[in-house]
Order: sequence, then C-alpha cells, then structure tokens
Amino acid sequence: IAGITQAPTSQILAAGRRMTLRCTQDMRHNAMYWYRQDLGLGLRLIHYSNTAGTTGKGEVPDGYSVSRANTDDFPLTLASAVPSQTSVYFCASSDSSSSAGELFFGEGSRLTVL
Amino acid sequence: GQNIDQPTEMTATEGAIVQINCTYQTSGFNGLFWYQQHAGEAPTFLSYNVLDGLEEKGRFSSFLSRSKGYSYLLLKELQMKDSASYLCAVLDSNYQLIWGAGTKLIIKP
Repeated sequence: IAGITQAPTSQILAAGRRMTLRCTQDMRHNAMYWYRQDLGLGLRLIHYSNTAGTTGKGEVPDGYSVSRANTDDFPLTLASAVPSQTSVYFCASSDSSSSAGELFFGEGSRLTVL
Repeated sequence: GQNIDQPTEMTATEGAIVQINCTYQTSGFNGLFWYQQHAGEAPTFLSYNVLDGLEEKGRFSSFLSRSKGYSYLLLKELQMKDSASYLCAVLDSNYQLIWGAGTKLIIKP
C-alpha cells in the first residue's frame, strides 16, 4: 500500500540520548515535512525539504536536524533529547513544493523523553 | 504575526448539521485547507478553497471569504464516525502551511 511509513511508532528515551525518527514514502513526492503536535497547539513545522538534497528550517527547528539524501527518505534526528521534546511527531509529504497544502501524513511517532 | 483561530471544542447531535468556523491572519494567502484527525491517528485531507465561495464534497462543504479572512466547514447528516478534530490551515506567501490548533467535535446520539 502506497504511503508514508514512520518508525518507531512509540519510544521512551532518556534525556541526553540521541534518537533518529525514520520516515519513508513511496509516492515519489518532492516535498517532505516533519511536524510535532502537542496538546492544545497546532501542528508545528520542524524542518522541511522541497526536493532531494535540500532542507529548510521550520517554526521550531532547534534541537533537531534532518537530511534528504534521496526522494524517499527523510529522517529526523534529536542529537541530545530533552523532556520538552516529548511529543507526537508526524512526517508528511506533498507532490509539489508549490502545492504544499495537500499533505499525506504518516501514522506518527510518539516520543517520551524522561 | 500569523494567526489562525478556531473553536476548541464543539458538540452536536447525530443526524444534525454543524458549522466549524476558522478565521485567519497570515502573510499572504495561497489557499485554505481543512483536515480531519481522529484521536490517535494522523490528519487526513478533507477540502481546499482558494477562491471565494462554497466547495461541496458529499456531506462536507467548505466556504471561504478571503476579504473577511474567514472560512467554515459544514458537516451535514452527522454520524458518530464524524467525532474527530478538524484542523484549519492556510498556505502563506512562502507556501508554508500555518495550522490552527483544531476543533474537537463531539457527536452525541
């Protein structure tokens, strides 16, 4: 089934540890995004990539890094996790950076930092 | 700054009609989007408006007034499965989506 796959679906992590959330899509979409979703707040953009080989910072990029080596994969890394990074993380894609409004989302990764 | 406002929570009765409002103030406008998100799941795309007026898609309709910075999502013949959060989002001048916090819709039998 075509779509976006995220891993892991859930993780408990000690503060200070490094963590990579994986995201893979098979729809050949150019643009990919990482969002975090916290109770009472809207989706907040962490990082994005309009095409393979390029990345950009979103609204809340501090403490996170991304890479886009190819079209399909867009991993998100927390270099040294902190409790404020406890959240649900969604990876998403769209078929063109100029039509970025219709997003396809992965099922989310629930991260708890203790 | 950029801002999108929508009610936090609404309650409606099965079989009835409900209107979820969204007002926005953004730097530029390249379309308004509505998403549905069931609890514990990912958001899914519902509708898109870029011109003023009403877009109808089955039981769901979405309206846009660009001059008023206003949109609403209209849900007819409510079903229990419509219980979800409804997210309003605007594509700004940089083609970045600005999201509202979402409206949690509770359907009662």
